[in-house]
Amino acid sequence: QTVVTQEPSFSVSPGGTVTVTCGLSSGSVSTRNFPSWYQQTPGQAPRRLIHSTKTRSSGVPDRFSGSILGNKAALTITGAQADDESDYYCVLYLGSGIVGFGGGTKLTVL
Amino acid sequence: EVQLVESGGGLVQPGGSLRLSCGASGFTFSSHWMSWVRQAPGRGLEWVANIKEDGSEKYYVDSVKGRFTISRDNAKNSLYLQMNSLRAEDTAVYYCARAEFLSGYFGSVFESFDYWGQGTLVTVSS
Repeated sequence: QTVVTQEPSFSVSPGGTVTVTCGLSSGSVSTRNFPSWYQQTPGQAPRRLIHSTKTRSSGVPDRFSGSILGNKAALTITGAQADDESDYYCVLYLGSGIVGFGGGTKLTVL
Repeated sequence: EVQLVESGGGLVQPGGSLRLSCGASGFTFSSHWMSWVRQAPGRGLEWVANIKEDGSEKYYVDSVKGRFTISRDNAKNSLYLQMNSLRAEDTAVYYCARAEFLSGYFGSVFESFDYWGQGTLVTVSS
């Protein structure tokens, strides 16, 4: 069974840049997996940030960007702010109607 | 404004059943795929099931196949999840989400979850 992988945690300084990646246990991530990214703060529902690899959702600041880096999808936060401290999840389409979530990345801004 | 409101969660004994509902408003419900996503306490998000606009296609994560059934009533703008043979590991907040699918040569392809409800907690315990 294919597993979607993410870094468990990251730390970034205010104003800094961080890149969270999303991979597959077997194979490479491509645009055909339609990578999407979600932000979740404790006790809240997830919020979509990026879809179709690099399209920002309405109202999402342009410091958030998506891309394919090598064989993984990537979410980059440029100029991190204190309220970016959240959990971030990637989602990939695995084919045949099946969707996979990454394990989530806990981002600390300090 | 798109709204998704889940209900039906609660405490149930192992082996028991529960039916979750999700009421949708603010969009044409019958034109969208819908999904259930869950999150166990202190854990990450896990996709549970997808259902096509007309209910003709349904997909499940392996761990719930044969136990959970996703369904919808487009006349009532409602999504459901019938959960049978519940296990302790099914304990989670269950979210209803609107799923964007793209139609192409190879059929429908999942694109993203664009709207989410606030979730309903299911606790499986004796």
